[in-house]
Amino acid sequence: EAQVTQNPRYLITVTGKKLTVTCSQNMNHEYMSWYRQDPGLGLRQIYYSMNVEVTDKGDVPEGYKVSRKEKRNFPLILESPSPNQTSLYFCASSFSSAGQGGGQPQHFGDGTRLSIL
Amino acid sequence: KQEVTQIPAALSVPEGENLVLNCSFTDSAIYNLQWFRQDPGKGLTSLLLIQSSQREQTSGRLNASLDKSSGRSTLYIAASQPGDSATYLCAVRQGGRRALTFGSGTRLQVQP
Repeated sequence: EAQVTQNPRYLITVTGKKLTVTCSQNMNHEYMSWYRQDPGLGLRQIYYSMNVEVTDKGDVPEGYKVSRKEKRNFPLILESPSPNQTSLYFCASSFSSAGQGGGQPQHFGDGTRLSIL
Repeated sequence: KQEVTQIPAALSVPEGENLVLNCSFTDSAIYNLQWFRQDPGKGLTSLLLIQSSQREQTSGRLNASLDKSSGRSTLYIAASQPGDSATYLCAVRQGGRRALTFGSGTRLQVQP
């Protein structure tokens, strides 16, 4: 089954304790992205990756890191989490296409709910 | 900066009704527009994607239209069912960027 898998689904942790949220897709998608969803603010992009070893900042990258060492995986790293990073996080992926490309639907994982105390 | 607005924020209808959800965006230079549904505790499920060159897309009881020049899209749901209850999000992609700009969603409840 084609899917985007995030782990963990839920996590409660404390300020300053490094954490990683994993994202894996089995659709051979080139493009992957992380979003956070907050009440009243909607979904906002954190980071994205056009392909292996190619990553770039989205709209709200502060406090986050990513890496793309393999095509299928795109982990989100919080080096020193703070309470304002408490949120619902989504990973998404899609195929790319030539030129401006990307006219492909984005597929989303089920989300990771992070609470940072 | 692109802004996406969805109206209404919430909607409750009896089963069997046809309904329309609205989405508007401020910058008409979009690459495509995608409609999603989000169920509580779940991720986003892609429903329809309309390229900027298209006027509409259909899937089953769903029909999405796009009027790029006026910055509007509608999602038409025919013969609504309780299983259609969810939050519906529209999102636009600007040319050259892969990030989607999302609206805040319309929370739909279909009463049996």
